[in-house]
Amino acid sequence: DTAVSQTPKYLVTQMGNDKSIKCEQNLGHDTMYWYKQDSKKFLKIMFSYNNKELIINETVPNRFSPKSPDKAHLNLHINSLELGDSAVYFCASSQALSGTYNEQFFGPGTRLTVL
Amino acid sequence: AQSVTQLDSQVPVFEEAPVELRCNYSSSVSVYLFWYVQYPNQGLQLLLKYLSGSTLVKGINGFEAEFNKSQTSFHLRKPSVHISDTAEYFCAVIITGGGNKLTFGTGTQLKVEL
Repeated sequence: DTAVSQTPKYLVTQMGNDKSIKCEQNLGHDTMYWYKQDSKKFLKIMFSYNNKELIINETVPNRFSPKSPDKAHLNLHINSLELGDSAVYFCASSQALSGTYNEQFFGPGTRLTVL
Repeated sequence: AQSVTQLDSQVPVFEEAPVELRCNYSSSVSVYLFWYVQYPNQGLQLLLKYLSGSTLVKGINGFEAEFNKSQTSFHLRKPSVHISDTAEYFCAVIITGGGNKLTFGTGTQLKVEL
């Protein structure tokens, strides 16, 4: 059983288009995250949602808009795609945030290529 | 602000040889420390973590790491590597009490050769 799944696995699109990446977790977690891995493999957090509420919003262009319809899903919508958006996007989930650490479980990634 | 430095971008090693992947962190507050592995075209998998207690931490696949507070290091070691250990390895930190936000290093590509 897949714990954290993402669709699609590969996404190739033209500059200026709008696209969405979907993420679902079946671990019963309350917190979900989006990370971006650039061409040099550098990983950086973009967003985090806890119980459908946005709690981490790093310096990300407002063309990126996360949407959490329920605790098990966190989708990433990207408007007006640019060449620099080409990257691998990882979704992750963890137990609800508390004062201590909760392990994050990562999805397989979505490779986005903007032409 | 916290940062994580992985000094080696690539580490080639022969099979059955020992390996050490270096990680240093800078933070004025206490942190949790992690090593993740990313196999080709896959997501990240947690290898091991240091939260508190014993400074020597053992993880999966025979890896271990030692937290050294005075040197602000958390180097990853394995006494004998296998071809299947070829992957990208990421060191990461979380500030304690600062939410669950992972900050990653730039990664080290471990290439195991016959």
